[in-house]
Amino acid sequence: SQQGEEDPQALSIQEGENATMNCSYKTSINNLQWYRQNSGRGLVHLILIRSNEREKHSGRLRVTLDTSKKSSSLLITASRAADTASYFCATDSGNTPLVFGKGTRLSVIA
Amino acid sequence: DAGITQSPRHKVTETGTPVTLRCHQTENHRYMYWYRQDPGHGLRLIHYSYGVKDTDKGEVSDGYSVSRSKTEDFLLTLESATSSQTSVYFCAISDRGANEKLFFGSGTQLSVL
Repeated sequence: SQQGEEDPQALSIQEGENATMNCSYKTSINNLQWYRQNSGRGLVHLILIRSNEREKHSGRLRVTLDTSKKSSSLLITASRAADTASYFCATDSGNTPLVFGKGTRLSVIA
Repeated sequence: DAGITQSPRHKVTETGTPVTLRCHQTENHRYMYWYRQDPGHGLRLIHYSYGVKDTDKGEVSDGYSVSRSKTEDFLLTLESATSSQTSVYFCAISDRGANEKLFFGSGTQLSVL
């Protein structure tokens, strides 16, 4: 069963707005990762945050991790039409492969 | 897609026939994974490998077998395909397992009629 659950399932915003997606998980983790999937393509890694980190940035991406609440958020600032994709969180609980959530579908309208 | 090739890219087969999907990597990564992606379920792990001839089951391994005789190749076999195995199959690789990022192939769309 899925460890991570993304919220919302779908999100539609205007170009230039910020997009925030959330991920909740159930058990303790070593790290949490976010991936993007464009339609018909494989997943592409965006960012990895370790359990002892609280925030990480990569370009227009900002990821936070709250281990006390077992949750993470992905913020995409100043969104572009090219950011339209599905976004997945994945968790590593140690000695097991990554477990992926069901994803959030983001639509950025020009 | 980071030196990962999945073949075939598309396949249509009939119920009861055997099917083998191939994942080939040129990155010399130790770990290889097979996931399936279905609407409403996200990605679910089928089998994975942590070295040549070392494999283990994932969440949805029933009806599937795997083999890894060389570092670069990881084969997924459906011994007798069923309609419930219609899905998109993704291969992924990593050098240090779940402790670092995965690189994904482009996927194989399999339809079992």
